[in-house]
Amino acid sequence: GENVEQHPSTLSVQEGDSAVIKCTYSDSASNYFPWYKQELGKRPQLIIDIRSNVGEKKDQRIAVTLNKTAKHFSLHITETQPEDSAVYFCWAGGGADGLTFGKGTHLIIQP
Amino acid sequence: EAQVTQNPRYLITVTGKKLTVTCSQNMNHEYMSWYRQDPGLGLRQIYYSMNVEVTDKGDVPEGYKVSRKEKRNFPLILESPSPNQTSLYFCASSLGRWGTEAFFGQGTRLTVV
Repeated sequence: GENVEQHPSTLSVQEGDSAVIKCTYSDSASNYFPWYKQELGKRPQLIIDIRSNVGEKKDQRIAVTLNKTAKHFSLHITETQPEDSAVYFCWAGGGADGLTFGKGTHLIIQP
Repeated sequence: EAQVTQNPRYLITVTGKKLTVTCSQNMNHEYMSWYRQDPGLGLRQIYYSMNVEVTDKGDVPEGYKVSRKEKRNFPLILESPSPNQTSLYFCASSLGRWGTEAFFGQGTRLTVV
């Protein structure tokens, strides 16, 4: 089945700096790669997604890049702000096993 | 308002006492699923349903049951809860199994003593 590895498990950055979270996947049939943000005590919510026919997608300060050859995709957050503090989950799916979550990255924005 | 509603939000129960966590969505989604969230383990899928009367096991189905008698409802049943089922549970729904946004319920914090 699909195996998704997410790194790092914890990331601490200074406010205003950039943050990058990376996920690797194993199933070459996977074609959908969403990212979810979970604030403390709240439900996960979709922040951005990318499909395998696209290499990069941006939405204001957030971007996702996909390298199908290397089977990895990354979330990039620029000009980080306190409200970016949360746990971020990557998903990979579309193959036989549906969607598989990464284990999450706890992003801490230091003032 | 489009939403997924879980009840209860918090539940403390004793070992062996059957319980049901309800989940309802108003978006006419075909796909619904249950996850448990534990520290360091992320979100793990318990069961999912592709449509009415169609359910299947996820990664951690032991000790759980589900049913899908109506499209909007997908209850999670613990016939004989044990302390290792203490966790945060989320229900989610989406148009399809993959390729579309998943909407999560508010979560149910379950403690089994």
